[in-house]
Amino acid sequence: QVQLVQSGAEVKKPGASVKVSCKASGYTFTSYGISWVRQAPGQGLEWMGWISAYNGNTNYAQKLQGRVTMTTDTSTSTAYMELRSLRSDDTAVYYCARDSVYSSSSGKYNWFDPWGQGTLVTVSS
Amino acid sequence: DIQMTQSPSSLSASVGDRVTITCRASQSISSYLNWYQQKPGKAPKLLIYAASSLQSGVPSRFSGSGSGTDFTLTISSLQPEDFATYYCQQSYSTPSFGPGTKVDIK
Repeated sequence: QVQLVQSGAEVKKPGASVKVSCKASGYTFTSYGISWVRQAPGQGLEWMGWISAYNGNTNYAQKLQGRVTMTTDTSTSTAYMELRSLRSDDTAVYYCARDSVYSSSSGKYNWFDPWGQGTLVTVSS
Repeated sequence: DIQMTQSPSSLSASVGDRVTITCRASQSISSYLNWYQQKPGKAPKLLIYAASSLQSGVPSRFSGSGSGTDFTLTISSLQPEDFATYYCQQSYSTPSFGPGTKVDIK
């Protein structure tokens, strides 16, 4: 079955960097993009950005531009999200999700399915 | 950026109740609207895509409707496993989510 498995929880100090991995299985990795979404404790969902597993093209949320880098390794079907210059408000659960697309005569529709299990990143001194 | 709002922010309901959650976009997004369910400590799960298409494996008691700026998620007969938080998400432009609606037991 289609599955995304993420790396384990991380604890980082302010100013440090974190790199979260997301290993895909059960589908052709290069046929879909991967989006990253984070959720601060008790809060809603925030889209961070997207990467094409086909050609590595990226699109990042404006508020994270310059601090986030998304990459893929097609040899291992793994996506990565690196966030630098961590602050306390970066404490969150980070999710990867397959970006599914459906094209019809009425348009091109995208949705996130499935999601990884989430990776808790705690930023604390 | 497109802002998404949801109402109510929370509701209490009983098993068997019909539940309706509303999502509104700050500008027209046609049918580029998805719904997700999230249970505590778990990742979100896709329920509805393109405003009204039921994701495979999702029970038929879930349905979505709407287009333009106003959308609705309906649970026709609430089941114990449906107590969760529900999020709408627009895919018309840079993705954004609504703030969520928490459905709990009355």
